[in-house]
Amino acid sequence: DQQVKQNSPSLSVQEGRISILNCDYTNSMFDYFLWYKKYPAEGPTFLISISSIKDKNEDGRFTVFLNKSAKHLSLHIVPSQPGDSAVYFCAATGRRYSGGGADGLTFGKGTHLIIQP
Amino acid sequence: GAGVSQSPSNKVTEKGKDVELRCDPISGHTALYWYRQRLGQGLEFLIYFQGNSAPDKSGLPSDRFSAERTGESVSTLTIQRTQQEDSAVYLCASSLSTIQETQYFGPGTRLLVL
Repeated sequence: DQQVKQNSPSLSVQEGRISILNCDYTNSMFDYFLWYKKYPAEGPTFLISISSIKDKNEDGRFTVFLNKSAKHLSLHIVPSQPGDSAVYFCAATGRRYSGGGADGLTFGKGTHLIIQP
Repeated sequence: GAGVSQSPSNKVTEKGKDVELRCDPISGHTALYWYRQRLGQGLEFLIYFQGNSAPDKSGLPSDRFSAERTGESVSTLTIQRTQQEDSAVYLCASSLSTIQETQYFGPGTRLLVL
C-alpha cells in the first residue's frame, strides 16, 4: 500500500514555463513533507519542505503548496531551467516537532522532469 | 565541507554471499538513515540511528539485513545470504538530529546480486 503517490512518472515542460509536480498521500499522520531532486548516479538532494501548519512555502524559484483536506501537495518551479531536469521525489514523515522519533521518510516513486529548450 | 560518503559505489555479488555496505555521515550529524531504491520504485526506508538510542529497525525487510553504527560516526549495512531481489541502490543519509532536520544523502551503493 503506497502511502505517498506520485502518479506522473514523467513530465515534459518547455524552458521558461512553469513546472508543476504533484504528490498525494494517504496517511493522515503525516505532518511534514519534503521534496528531493535526484540526478542520475547521485543521491537525492533536499529542495524544499513544508510542515502541516502551513499551506505554502517559497524558496526562490521553488514553491510547495499543501492542501491538507485533499491530502495533496505540489511543487511549482518557475521559471523552469534546463538544470531542473531530474527526478523529483516527494517524501513525508509523521513525527511532530516534539523532537526525537524513529520514522524514516516515506517516499513516492518519483517524477522525471524533462525541461525542453 | 565533506558530504555523506558511501562505499563501495558498486558491488556485484553472487546469490547467497554476504555483503557489507559502508556509510560515513557528515561530521556532527547524530542521525543516520539507510534507504534502498529498487528499479522503478521509490526510496524505501530501512533503518534509522539517532545518537545512542536503540535504532529503529522497522523498515528492514528480513532478518538477513542488519546494520550497526559506531557512536555517531560510520555505519555498516550487512546483507547476509543475498538474494536477487536485494539488487538495488542503497542510500545512506544523515541529519543534524531529529527527523525534521533536512537529510543529506550519499551517492549510494549499487548492489547487483547475480
